[in-house]
Amino acid sequence: QAQLVESGGGVVQPGRSLRLSCAASGFTFSNYVMHWVRQAPGKGLEWVAVIASDGSYKYNADSVKGRFTISRDNSKKTLYLQMNSLRADDTGMYYCARESDSPDVWGQGTTVTVSS
Amino acid sequence: DIQMTQSPSSLSASVGDTVTVTCQASQDIGSYLNWYQQKPGKPPKLLIYDASNDASILETGVSSRFSGGGSGTGFTFTISSLQPEDIATYYCLQYDNLPYTFGQGTKVEIK
Repeated sequence: QAQLVESGGGVVQPGRSLRLSCAASGFTFSNYVMHWVRQAPGKGLEWVAVIASDGSYKYNADSVKGRFTISRDNSKKTLYLQMNSLRADDTGMYYCARESDSPDVWGQGTTVTVSS
Repeated sequence: DIQMTQSPSSLSASVGDTVTVTCQASQDIGSYLNWYQQKPGKPPKLLIYDASNDASILETGVSSRFSGGGSGTGFTFTISSLQPEDIATYYCLQYDNLPYTFGQGTKVEIK
């Protein structure tokens, strides 16, 4: 069945960078729009970014615009989130999600902690 | 951006009760609304898509006790006969327009 596995999280100092990955299996990755969604500790869900199935269209939330870049490599069945100029309020769990008309399959998440 | 106002933020009910959560959109989103369940330490799980369609036809493990309704700007999510395994936080999501936006969440507890 469809599966998504995130990786790349960790502890990073404010102002530094981190790249998250999301490996897909069990479905034809190149056919699907993909999303990143995050959740600060003890808080609700926040949509972060979306990318078209062929990578031709991308859209970010205002909170990450100019700092985060979503990308994908369909040959590797992998979604990425390049996070630059990280801030304390970027701390949280980051989930990738597949869109089948709407977000349906989610990964288990990877934790990002921004702290000095 | 479309604002999603979800209420209540928390509720406590007895086993067997019927509980209802509402989401109000700041503009017409048609039926482009999903409901998710999130248990602690787990990712969100799709329960209802397109406002009223039961995701149990899409994946296993989704109880038919969950139902959704509404269109336009007002939506409801109902759990019939609340069970201990339903303890979780529930979120609505609008996907009519980018950026997608979530409701604030409703934490459901057993009384």
